[in-house]
Amino acid sequence: QSVLTQPPSVSGAPGQRVTISCTGSSSNIGAGYSVLWYLQLPGAAPKLLIYGDTKRPSGVPDRFSGSKSGTSASLAISGLQAADEADYYCQSYDRSLSAYVFGTGTKVTVL
Amino acid sequence: QLQLLESGPGLVKPSETLSLTCNVSGGSITSGSYYWGWIRQSPEKGLEWIVSIFYGKNTYYNPSLKSRVAISVETSKNQFSLRLSSVTAADTAVYYCARQFVVRGLTPPFDYWGQGALVTVSS
Repeated sequence: QSVLTQPPSVSGAPGQRVTISCTGSSSNIGAGYSVLWYLQLPGAAPKLLIYGDTKRPSGVPDRFSGSKSGTSASLAISGLQAADEADYYCQSYDRSLSAYVFGTGTKVTVL
Repeated sequence: QLQLLESGPGLVKPSETLSLTCNVSGGSITSGSYYWGWIRQSPEKGLEWIVSIFYGKNTYYNPSLKSRVAISVETSKNQFSLRLSSVTAADTAVYYCARQFVVRGLTPPFDYWGQGALVTVSS
């Protein structure tokens, strides 16, 4: 149902770099609305990681970085750590729906 | 440190009204460039934005839920509340309250979240 599509899962070994894609359309990411990323640990609320496509809130390590191109966005996690195992969600605004929308979510597994 | 905490019944009967309150501590609900909103999460629908309010100014609703949603602010208690009417099993979810901060030209982020409240719709 979500208008922002993410891969269900990605995995990597400790220390590696992984990327998570978020594919939208011309009514959300492609329309120029900025993308946000959240991390959600099991049983916890989502935590803001990235806003404005690339900006990190205070306290978020620079191992996390965001990018955007066309109708898609990506979150990169470098120097993967066991503590990074979580679900990750992208978010933007959709002008056709007139609503803030979230991605389908991606589970990151550290091998 | 800003903290948000949801409270309300965990079980609601079909066709009745779901009511939740978010108590805000560590900051005033009337200050600054902030919206206050509700988001829910279920296995079926994932994360779904419900409504956001900027105290004294605008309220924005998810059009898919607008006809059933009401949001209010009680400044004396520094809290805001959600009412969702005519609930069905599809409204079963974890409901989060959250703060959105306004950044000029950007999609406003949800930067502080409550711990979440599970609401089950069942007879």
